[in-house]
Amino acid sequence: SQKIEQNSEALNIQEGKTATLTCNYTNYSPAYLQWYRQDPGRGPVFLLLIRENEKEKRKERLKVTFDTTLKQSLFHITASQPADSATYLCALTGTASKLTFGTGTRLQVTL
Amino acid sequence: DAGVTQSPTHLIKTRGQHVTLRCSPISGHKSVSWYQQVLGQGPQFIFQYYEKEERGRGNFPDRFSARQFPNYSSELNVNALLLGDSALYLCASSLAGTSGSEQFFGPGTRLTVL
Repeated sequence: SQKIEQNSEALNIQEGKTATLTCNYTNYSPAYLQWYRQDPGRGPVFLLLIRENEKEKRKERLKVTFDTTLKQSLFHITASQPADSATYLCALTGTASKLTFGTGTRLQVTL
Repeated sequence: DAGVTQSPTHLIKTRGQHVTLRCSPISGHKSVSWYQQVLGQGPQFIFQYYEKEERGRGNFPDRFSARQFPNYSSELNVNALLLGDSALYLCASSLAGTSGSEQFFGPGTRLTVL
């Protein structure tokens, strides 16, 4: 069955450092991979989308890489700030538009 | 501009009851999807509707049903509630509902089943 794995343990980093979150998947050939941010008690907010034929995508302090051979995506936040503290979800889509989410990784940025 | 709205924000029901959750998409968006998010897990796909037609259904029992209205708003109905149905129910809208479309999520409805 399809499986999407994200680090279940919280990631704690110091302000100003680069946070790197991992998303691994098995038994899936996604056409797109998306990253969302979710704050407690709120709905996910779209951050970035990367296509299967793209290796890397950037948006301001965010960078996503997508390796379909390793079946892995890395999500980087550079110069992290306390306001970046949240849960980050990766989600895959194939030919259908439904999103299949990972369990999310909680990021805590401290001063 | 108004984002995706959902009502009610919180709901408490008892086992065996029925519940109806409502969602209004962003103006101009024709696709609505429903997700269930249990505490500590990622959202799980329940349904997608586009132009009032069901486009996809997740692995949920027949107790779950949904529909989309001509104004593109949507309802999710759950019958014979179980304790395990307690979750955050999220609605997401997108412009075209195609693979790779950015989805905009509402704040969710927190359902507690006692």
